[in-house]
Amino acid sequence: QKEVEQDPGPLSVPEGAIVSLNCTYSNSAFQYFMWYRQYSRKGPELLMYTYSSGNKEDGRFTAQVDKSSKYISLFIRDSQPSDSATYLCAMTTSGTYKYIFGTGTRLKVLA
Amino acid sequence: DAGVIQSPRHEVTEMGQEVTLRCKPISGHDYLFWYRQTMMRGLELLIYFNNNVPIDDSGMPEDRFSAKMPNASFSTLKIQPSEPRDSAVYFCASSQIWSTDTQYFGPGTRLTVL
Repeated sequence: QKEVEQDPGPLSVPEGAIVSLNCTYSNSAFQYFMWYRQYSRKGPELLMYTYSSGNKEDGRFTAQVDKSSKYISLFIRDSQPSDSATYLCAMTTSGTYKYIFGTGTRLKVLA
Repeated sequence: DAGVIQSPRHEVTEMGQEVTLRCKPISGHDYLFWYRQTMMRGLELLIYFNNNVPIDDSGMPEDRFSAKMPNASFSTLKIQPSEPRDSAVYFCASSQIWSTDTQYFGPGTRLTVL
């Protein structure tokens, strides 16, 4: 079993829809949770960074962490065609840079 | 700032050949990371450096892989001899400090071993 599980998709939604992307994990020691966006043939770029449990909002993006369920989510409101990309979750324990990444969910927002 | 620079962007080589991938981190960043990305395994950390010193190389798949950072502005990842299963996209990333800072990724090198 992988430490971090992520549905690969693809997930296709119409423009303006609310998108929900999710990851589950098995290591209860994870404390730092991140979402990266990766456009085709590009490197990943950080979207959201959350410490421990709770919600964090940044514009159209909201990250949620539920440590009791070992489940994290990224919500995208009013999705745009420019949001079409692969979204990677990543997480790590305290005191280490060793990020564990999910395999990514490919999102397509249709105009 | 130009961001993290990687070269070459694409590399096609034959099995058994030596491959060297290069990375220039963002100026002033203390940490440098090498990742490998494949469809099956996703993005995997191979090794990372702090102030040019290797800190964790537990992700390096085998002795055929080696990485060096001779100075703060340059790092190499070498595969010798290369095998078809090494075909992947290799990313370099750099970061300044822990806490809320993030890893900035380069554009990657797409390696194909025939």
